[in-house]
Amino acid sequence: GAGVSQTPSNKVTEKGKYVELRCDPISGHTALYWYRQSLGQGPEFLIYFQGTGAADDSGLPNDRFFAVRPEGSVSTLKIQRTERGDSAVYLCASSVSGGGIGELFFGEGSRLTVL
Amino acid sequence: AQSVAQPEDQVNVAEGNPLTVKCTYSVSGNPYLFWYVQYPNRGLQFLLKYITGDNLVKGSYGFEAEFNKSQTSFHLKKPSALVSDSALYFCAVRGMDSSYKLIFGSGTRLLVRP
Repeated sequence: GAGVSQTPSNKVTEKGKYVELRCDPISGHTALYWYRQSLGQGPEFLIYFQGTGAADDSGLPNDRFFAVRPEGSVSTLKIQRTERGDSAVYLCASSVSGGGIGELFFGEGSRLTVL
Repeated sequence: AQSVAQPEDQVNVAEGNPLTVKCTYSVSGNPYLFWYVQYPNRGLQFLLKYITGDNLVKGSYGFEAEFNKSQTSFHLKKPSALVSDSALYFCAVRGMDSSYKLIFGSGTRLLVRP
């Protein structure tokens, strides 16, 4: 597609359940980022991939959160034993290359609600 | 540690008037600075960036921003606001000697009244 695609757009789950959020970046973009945006806040960095490897996962809040990008394209953010505090919009972004000076292209986000 | 401050939660301006959305930053070393805009039910969109060179950078939709190193600021400006500029604006910073992550401010809602 032309832009970054995120699925699902909305996910409602119960506390304690497992959730997967998918990101399909722009074709050819080697850098991929996950951010989390809570209501009234700016995006908060979670993890950055360069190719298949996680170059920086310092933003993952705890070991319930994990992300993969096995073939250097599509990425999946996985959240185990969800908690109500995990409710937020999860944003994925990609850029042509790493280096951190290029424009990030964001998807529309996956809104997660944990009941 | 890197940080960004957007001191105004909301900025109100009349259509046709100039607008300014403020941003100050804190990084070690020289900064890379960005502005992004978020329209309702849309993803964040890149507006402009400062990497090096001229302190006044021009971006999309007639927006510009001025990098001021002494004041550690990167305010977003537009000479004549449009109603369609109403949106949520985010300033972001990355330090040259840090990882590739962008640190975003909390956002400023711009409301342009007809």
